[in-house]
Amino acid sequence: GAGVSQSPRYKVAKRGQDVALRCDPISGHVSLFWYQQALGQGPEFLTYFQNEAQLDKSGLPSDRFFAERPEGSVSTLKIQRTQQEDSAVYLCASSFLESEQYFGPGTRLTVT
Amino acid sequence: SQQGEEDPQALSIQEGENATMNCSYKTSINNLQWYRQNSGRGLVHLILIRSNEREKHSGRLRVTLDTSKKSSSLLITASRAADTASYFCATDLHRSFGAGTTVTVRA
Repeated sequence: GAGVSQSPRYKVAKRGQDVALRCDPISGHVSLFWYQQALGQGPEFLTYFQNEAQLDKSGLPSDRFFAERPEGSVSTLKIQRTQQEDSAVYLCASSFLESEQYFGPGTRLTVT
Repeated sequence: SQQGEEDPQALSIQEGENATMNCSYKTSINNLQWYRQNSGRGLVHLILIRSNEREKHSGRLRVTLDTSKKSSSLLITASRAADTASYFCATDLHRSFGAGTTVTVRA
């Protein structure tokens, strides 16, 4: 594909529901990042993969957040038992190792 | 803590003027990157400067890096309305962005 794609673009979840957000990185990009961006703020790092290995998950805010990239390409960010404070835009980015990151359009999650 | 911190938080300029924003970071880096985000959209990579570079140009953009002061600046020359956006810096090793500088270019 031409760039990083994310789906769904918008997700409304009732509090307590589980959600799964998908990221399709640029083909061949080794590194994949997830960020959480609240309104008016910069992206906050969540987790980082190099191929299928999750090398850094220090930014995941709680054990309700889980990310995987089982075959080293597509990644899924799962949030269990969503809370209102989880409402944000979730951005995915990919890169070739430590070079510039290419961002997807984001998934806007609203928890009601 | 945030690795990249942008300054000022907001900037309003007239079309045709230059806009300068700064970024500070805390630890050693391999490279520093600047990104732009238009309202409601994803981030777009603007320019990457490596730790052994002091200045880099790309079109109307000029980036400087001072590793001794752990700071970088982004200059946009001859600004246009389309430059209205938030600008973020990020470093390679810590993958963190600051709150950004919001630039408004008035016609």
